Amino acid sequence: EAGVTQFPSHSVIEKGQTVTLRCDPISGHDNLYWYRRVMGKEIKFLLHFVKESKQDESGMPNNRFLAERTGGTYSTLKVQPAELEDSGVYFCASSQEGLALLRGTGELFFGEGSRLTVL
Amino acid sequence: DQQVKQNSPSLSVQEGRISILNCDYTNSMFDYFLWYKKYPAEGPTFLISISSIKDKNEDGRFTVFLNKSAKHLSLHIVPSQPGDSAVYFCAAIKDSWGKLQFGAGTQVVVTP
Repeated sequence: EAGVTQFPSHSVIEKGQTVTLRCDPISGHDNLYWYRRVMGKEIKFLLHFVKESKQDESGMPNNRFLAERTGGTYSTLKVQPAELEDSGVYFCASSQEGLALLRGTGELFFGEGSRLTVL
Repeated sequence: DQQVKQNSPSLSVQEGRISILNCDYTNSMFDYFLWYKKYPAEGPTFLISISSIKDKNEDGRFTVFLNKSAKHLSLHIVPSQPGDSAVYFCAAIKDSWGKLQFGAGTQVVVTP
C-alpha cells in the first residue's frame, strides 16, 4: 500500500513567485493535514481537511496560502506570492479517522515533506 | 505561543545505555500525548503514545512516562541502538481531530 506522497520534494523559488505543493494521502483516508517546520523549529499545524471540506484552517499563516482538496482525494497548497519566511519543510499527513488517534489504533501518517526554499 | 516544549535540542548516548528525552507542556487541556521519530529526508513516524488517564505506557524498548501535575512527559529508550539515532518529536492533542501540537524536537545520536 502506498504511503502519503508529496511533490515536489524540493522547490527553490524567488521571493514573489508562486509555488504549488501537492499531497496524495493514503487511499481511503478522509482526514488530510498540512503541517510546516521552519528552520528546525517545531512542526506547526496549518490546516485539516475532512474529505473535501476544511475542518480547521486556524494554522494558516495568512491569505498568501491557499489549500484545496477537490473531490476529497489529493490536496494542493499554493503559496502566492512567496516570501522569505515561507521557507521550510511542508509536511502532509493523513489518517483514516480523527478518533483513531485517541483509540491508539492509528496515527497520522506523514509524507516525506516538500522542502521550500524562497530566495 | 509554543505549548509543547522540548528544551534539549540534542542528546548523545552510548549504545546499550538509556536515552531519556524530556517534554514539557503548558496546556492542561491536552488529553493525549505522542512521540514521533524522524529520520533525515523522511516524514515523522509514530512511535508511542499515552493517554492523560495513564502515567506510563511501554512498548518494547520504549516507555513513555506522564506526570500531569508537573505537565511533563518523558520517553525512555532502553537499550539504545544505533538505529535509534533520529530526531524525536513530542506532540500533544486536545481533541480527536488530529491538530497536533509539536515540540521542536530532540536530535538523538547513539554512538557505538
